[in-house]
Amino acid sequence: KAGVTQTPRYLIKTRGQQVTLSCSPISGHRSVSWYQQTPGQGLQFLFEYFSETQRNKGNFPGRFSGRQFSNSRSEMNVSTLELGDSALYLCASSLNRGVPYNEQFFGPGTRLTVL
Amino acid sequence: AQSVTQLGSHVSVSEGALVLLRCNYSSSVPPYLFWYVQYPNQGLQLLLKYTSAATLVKGINGFEAEFKKSETSFHLTKPSAHMSDAAEYFCAVSDSSASKIIFGSGTRLSIRP
Repeated sequence: KAGVTQTPRYLIKTRGQQVTLSCSPISGHRSVSWYQQTPGQGLQFLFEYFSETQRNKGNFPGRFSGRQFSNSRSEMNVSTLELGDSALYLCASSLNRGVPYNEQFFGPGTRLTVL
Repeated sequence: AQSVTQLGSHVSVSEGALVLLRCNYSSSVPPYLFWYVQYPNQGLQLLLKYTSAATLVKGINGFEAEFKKSETSFHLTKPSAHMSDAAEYFCAVSDSSASKIIFGSGTRLSIRP
């Protein structure tokens, strides 16, 4: 079974632009979560989607948004990019939600650099 | 609020030596605890998870962790380090929905030949 895939793997943008990142979960997984990883702030939860609805949200500004499609694929969008948005963005999928010890499987990430 | 604290941002051990990575948690409810590993330029891989079935949890690659409620700790150990263990290790706790994971700051493990 294929793992979580994220595209693109690397991205370079300039301040003020917007960007869309894509995540394809493991087949059959219905929950997709997004995380931002930076050297200064570490790994931080962005949001989670399940059945095309955002179920949980981290403490990020409204410039960060996402959506999930009927096939469970998810996209996240960052508008009006700032230098501080440079990070590794990780997507994780899990079979369900609300299940104790729910294991999340992570993709390789998208490395976003904002110049 | 739930949180985890990892003691030591960098740990260096000799090949063949014991690996001990420390993690303390804070949770008002029974915690769902995990250890993840991240190799350079890769995503996170689950090493092991605490399921409350046993306090000593065995994971992949010879790692194990012991849940100690009295000490609110979930330290990760491996009896004999291998060069391939060099990576960053994250202790984590999830909320009751099990869909949001809160990570510690990470510990970079280096192995000396």
